[in-house]
Amino acid sequence: EVQLVQSGAEVKKPGESLKISCQGSGYSFTSYWIAWVRQTPGKGLEWVGIIYLGGSDIRYSPSFQGQVTISADKSIRTAYLQWSSLRASDTAMYYCARQAVVGYFDYWGQGTLVTVSS
Amino acid sequence: EIVLTQSPGTLSLSPGERATLSCRASQSVSNYLGWYQQKPGQAPRLLIYDASNRATGIPARFSGSGSGTDFTLTISSLEPEDFAVYYCQQRTNWPWTFGQGTKVEIK
Repeated sequence: EVQLVQSGAEVKKPGESLKISCQGSGYSFTSYWIAWVRQTPGKGLEWVGIIYLGGSDIRYSPSFQGQVTISADKSIRTAYLQWSSLRASDTAMYYCARQAVVGYFDYWGQGTLVTVSS
Repeated sequence: EIVLTQSPGTLSLSPGERATLSCRASQSVSNYLGWYQQKPGQAPRLLIYDASNRATGIPARFSGSGSGTDFTLTISSLEPEDFAVYYCQQRTNWPWTFGQGTKVEIK
C-alpha cells in the first residue's frame, strides 16, 4: 500500500527555523517526483515546489523561491520542506504528494499544520 | 501565471441530481487540466487528469470534458460521499495552479 506519512503539527515563533518531513512507503521511492503544496483559507491551494527522488532536480514556484528549501534523504525515503526564518504568513497546512502522471498527484500525505505566531 | 476561475462558488444539490462544475483558464492550457476532490480534514484526491481521464479507482459517475480554456467536471448522479469541494488544476506552465474551488453542498 502506497503511503506518504508527514511529520506532526508545529507551533513556532517568527524568525525560528523549521523542517517538516514526508516519508514514503509501499512504492519505488526514487522513481517518482514529490511535490509540496500549501493550503490556506485566503489563497487556497498553491504549489510550493517539486523534487525528483531519482535525481537532483528541484523546482520551486516563483512565489516560494528563496523562501523555502526542498530536499530529500533517499536512504530513509523521506522528503523535506524547510524554512530558515519563519514568518506569520507561513501559517498554513502543508501537504506532500506523489506525482502519478506528469503534473498530477495521486497519493497525498495527511498534511502538516504549521502555525507561526508570537 | 495561468489563473483558473471556477464557477459557481457553491452548488446546492440533492443526492441523485447531476452536478456540473466549470473551470475557465486565463489562457489556453490545451487539455492539461485536472480535477481534485477535497473533503474536510482530508487531503485532495485526484479524480480526472488531462481533461477527461479518470484516475485509478474513480467511479464512472465522474467525467471531465473540455479543452483550451473551458472545462467541465460532471457528476452524473450525486452520492452522499460526493458532497465536498472540487478544484481544477493546470499543468501546462510552471508554476502549476489551482482554481479557487467549487463547494458542492447538500440542498
